[in-house]
This record gives sequence, C-alpha cells and structure tokens, in this order.
Amino acid sequence: KQEVTQIPAALSVPEGENLVLNCSFTDSAIYNLQWFRQDPGKGLTSLLLIQSSQREQTSGRLNASLDKSSGRSTLYIAASQPGDSATYLCAVFRYAGGTSYGKLTFGQGTILTVHP
Amino acid sequence: DTEVTQTPKHLVMGMTNKKSLKCEQHMGHRAMYWYKQKAKKPPELMFVYSYEKLSINESVPSRFSPECPNSSLLNLHLHALQPEDSALYLCASSQGQAKGLAKNIQYFGAGTRLSVL
Repeated sequence: KQEVTQIPAALSVPEGENLVLNCSFTDSAIYNLQWFRQDPGKGLTSLLLIQSSQREQTSGRLNASLDKSSGRSTLYIAASQPGDSATYLCAVFRYAGGTSYGKLTFGQGTILTVHP
Repeated sequence: DTEVTQTPKHLVMGMTNKKSLKCEQHMGHRAMYWYKQKAKKPPELMFVYSYEKLSINESVPSRFSPECPNSSLLNLHLHALQPEDSALYLCASSQGQAKGLAKNIQYFGAGTRLSVL
C-alpha cells in the first residue's frame, strides 16, 4: 500500500525567506507526483505536476523536484509572502496493476504560515 | 476555463434524509472523481468515473451512491448517513485516466461542507 509522508507538519517563517517542503513515498512505481495548495475550508489548487520521467518543474517562485528511485520530492518556495500561507499537499498518482485506472494518494500536508 | 463547480457549498442533513451533491465541469474532461476530506486530514478517494463508467470504488458504504449522467456532470446521492460522514466532499476532474497522456492534472472544486445531525 502506498504511503505518502510530508515533513514538516507545520512551518512558520518570516516573509522573504526561502523554504523547502519535503514529501516521501514508499512505492516508487508512480506515474506522476503533484503538489497542491489548500486554503482553509477550500478546495485544492494544483501547483506543479512532475511526470515520473522528469526531475523537476518550475512555476514562478515554485520549484519541485522528484527523485523517484529514492521516493522523494521537494517543493522549494522562493521569497515567501504572507499570501503563500496555506496547507501544501503532495500526492502521487499510480495505476492499479494491470489496469488503466489510477488514483492519487495524498500526504498529510504541511501547514505553512508566512508572517509579515 | 479550469473550473469545477460544486453545489451546494454547505449542506446539513438528518440521518433519515436523502440528499444529492452535484459537480459540473465544462473542460471536456472524461475522468471525474469524488473525494472525502475530514478535518485536518488529506483527501481520500471515494469513486472514479472514466468515460461515464465507474472505474474505481474504494469500498465506499452503499449509503453513498455516485452517478455520472453525462460527461460534464457527476452526482453523489446520500441516504441514511451517519454523523461520522460529516466532512468536506471534493469533486475533481482530469483529461482522462489512460496511460500515455502527457498530463492528468486533477482540477478540484471548492467542495461541499456536509454536516450530518
């Protein structure tokens, strides 16, 4: 059974700091990995998707890396802002063996607070 | 347009009620999903529909009944729920489920906050 772990569970930083969120997964047979943002009581917003054949993806101040063989991904946020405060979730997508049907398995999330 | 619309936003129901949650997307996506999220927990997959057919049921109790009437619409029918079913119910969609797609990013709706009394 796929297990996804995120460290740290919570992080509080001053505005302007660069930070790294970590995600690890137990089964490396993944198809892709996604990072999501969730604001309190709201739905999820996809930030970055990395295919299993890729090493990293960048979008603005966000950079996500993937080391499939070691089962790890990191989300790097540069020059953090108070508006970045949210819960960040990583999720791995894997196909069920012998089928064309897949599912996302989420980590518990990292609660990020960026204070002015 | 990357919008997934869920209605209602909030729902309060008794254990003997029958209600339905609705999800709609107009992105031409052929895969749609229902997730359940308890407070301070990650979303958990309930159902996956691919080309309007149920492809994954994560052993969800029969008091939850999904329906996909067409490629743009996904419903979740609720009957005889328990208080522990209170949660945020999220709908998502993606281009598809088939391997070989360049991307299968899932787009999520804002969710329906369900309270069962």
